[in-house]
Amino acid sequence: KAGVTQTPRYLIKTRGQQVTLSCSPISGHRSVSWYQQTPGQGLQFLFEYFSETQRNKGNFPGRFSGRQFSNSRSEMNVSTLELGDSALYLCASSPGRTGGSVSNEKLFFGSGTQLSVL
Amino acid sequence: SQELEQSPQSLIVQEGKNLTINCTSSKTLYGLYWYKQKYGEGLIFLMMLQKGGEEKSHEKITAKLDEKKQQSSLHITASQPSHAGIYLCGADGAPGGTSYGKLTFGQGTILTVHP
Repeated sequence: KAGVTQTPRYLIKTRGQQVTLSCSPISGHRSVSWYQQTPGQGLQFLFEYFSETQRNKGNFPGRFSGRQFSNSRSEMNVSTLELGDSALYLCASSPGRTGGSVSNEKLFFGSGTQLSVL
Repeated sequence: SQELEQSPQSLIVQEGKNLTINCTSSKTLYGLYWYKQKYGEGLIFLMMLQKGGEEKSHEKITAKLDEKKQQSSLHITASQPSHAGIYLCGADGAPGGTSYGKLTFGQGTILTVHP
């Protein structure tokens, strides 16, 4: 089975621009989560999608947004880029479950997109 | 909000030595995950612990969960250069795993193994 695929691997942008990152989950996985990793703040949760619906959201400004398509692929968008947005953006997928009590599921991470904002 | 503190922050050992990394939570642990990361790359899943007293092993790596102490430890026996990397603990802060993809991570422990 192919793992979680993130594209592009590296990205260089300038302040004020916007960027879109892509994530293809493991086949059959319906939940996709996004994380930001920086040396100062470590790994921080951005948001999670399941069946094209955002179920959970971290404490990031509205410039960070995402969406999920019917095939479970997900995209993350950052508008009006700031220098502080430079980070490794990681996507993770898990099988996901609907409704009721959800048992803990392990997250499978992609290799990430390294974003540099100049 | 839940916080995880890992110790030590970095560790340098000689090949063949044993080592332990600790992860302490500020709140009750409902699920504790250990991941390994190579610098600038994604996280590789190592183990998941869900019950107090639970212990799991994979090859030379053993992880334990002490629910009462809100702590987990990762022990590597007879370390090898291939064990080098960043070890991260992550916790699911919601009972029943309803945090929907959100894990709180520790700051990581950088492990260097000298041949």
